[in-house]
Parts: sequence; C-alpha cells; structure tokens
Amino acid sequence: EVQLVESGGGLVKPGGSLRLSCAASGFTFSNSNMNWVRQAPGKGLEWVSSISSSHSYIYYTDSVKGRFSISRDNAKNSLYLQMNSLRVEDTAVYYCARGGPGRLTSRTYYFDYWGQGTLVTVSS
Amino acid sequence: SNELTQPPSVSVSPGQTASITCSGDKLGDKYACWYQQKPGQSPVVVIYEDTKRPSGIPERFSGSNSGNTATLTISGTQAMDEADYYCQAWDRNTAVVFGGGTKLTVL
Repeated sequence: EVQLVESGGGLVKPGGSLRLSCAASGFTFSNSNMNWVRQAPGKGLEWVSSISSSHSYIYYTDSVKGRFSISRDNAKNSLYLQMNSLRVEDTAVYYCARGGPGRLTSRTYYFDYWGQGTLVTVSS
Repeated sequence: SNELTQPPSVSVSPGQTASITCSGDKLGDKYACWYQQKPGQSPVVVIYEDTKRPSGIPERFSGSNSGNTATLTISGTQAMDEADYYCQAWDRNTAVVFGGGTKLTVL
C-alpha cells in the first residue's frame, strides 16, 4: 500500500523558516517523481514544486522561487521542502504527492497518490 | 495563457448527469486530469490522461478533452459524489497548473 506521511508543519513568524518532510513507503521511491502541492484555508489547490526521480529536473511555482527548495533522499525514501523567508500568504496545508508513471516533463503528468497534508501557519 | 478556468459551482439532482468544465488555451493539445476532494480529505485522482479511470473509480466518472475545454462527466450522480473537483494539466512553461476548482452540489 502506498503511503505518504508529511511532517514538519507548524506556526512560524513571517520571515522565518520551516522544513517539511514526507516519508514514503509501499513503492519504489527512487523510481518516482515527487511533488509538493498546497492548499490555503478555504482555497483551491496550488502546485508548489516537483522533483524528478533522479534529481535531474526540479520545478517551482513562481511565487516560491528563491525561497523554497525541494530535495529528496532516495536512500531514506524521503522528500523534503525547505521553506525560507516565509510569508503570511504561504499559510496552507502542504501535501506530498507522487507523480504518476512517466517522465516529469510529460504532458500526461499527474499525481496518483497524496499524503494527508501538514499545516503551515505563518503569522506574527 | 496557462490558466485553467472552472465554474465555481455546479448543481445536479441525484441520478442526473453532472458536467464540470475546465477551459484553457489549447487545452485539447495537452492532457487533462481531474481530482475529487471531499471536506477534510486529501484529493483523489478520478480521471487522468483525459479519459482514463484509475482502478477503484466508478464507471460513472468519465472525461473528455477537445479544443479549449476538458469536461468531467458524472453519470447517475450520487450523493457521495458531492465534493470539490479540480482539473490539472502540464504546461511546458509553468509545469503543473490547476484549475480553481468546482464545488459540486447534489441537491
């Protein structure tokens, strides 16, 4: 059974930092593209970042470029999101999601499994 | 433009057909997928690659994509289908893009 378990969320002041983790199990993590998607309270889904299985491709949405950094440790079956210079508008539930079969740059790219999410609140 | 536009809400009577649209520039040249999200739960993919249903998704869910519009159709809608639905596509300039979401109400 595929499982994705996020952790690391919490309350942080504007300008602060937080590191999210996603522990993966039930599949071959090193063969899978991985992603972070967030959802502000009462709002829709917003893609944040993606990383290919071999680290060859990394993408970010414009609003987090230069502030967030995605990484993975295939030996630990773990995905990470380092978030710096946090803003109030970064407040959201952050989901870890597995990419479906195929290349990260494929037109068919989608998310086939999602974690339960971890809440990040940026407030003074 | 790489934006995907969905109607904020759609209402349907039980047993009827619900159609949720997703519009974007030349969306038909890309592949669309659809996620269902119930309150307090994580999203679940119900359609991928325009028309494919993952295992475990009921046959009443179907999808199409042509021109500038992708459509999620739910035939014989049930009360359990009440949820938020999001379309998503891959854009070579911006990577992943989501629609704003549609709240489906089963009256």
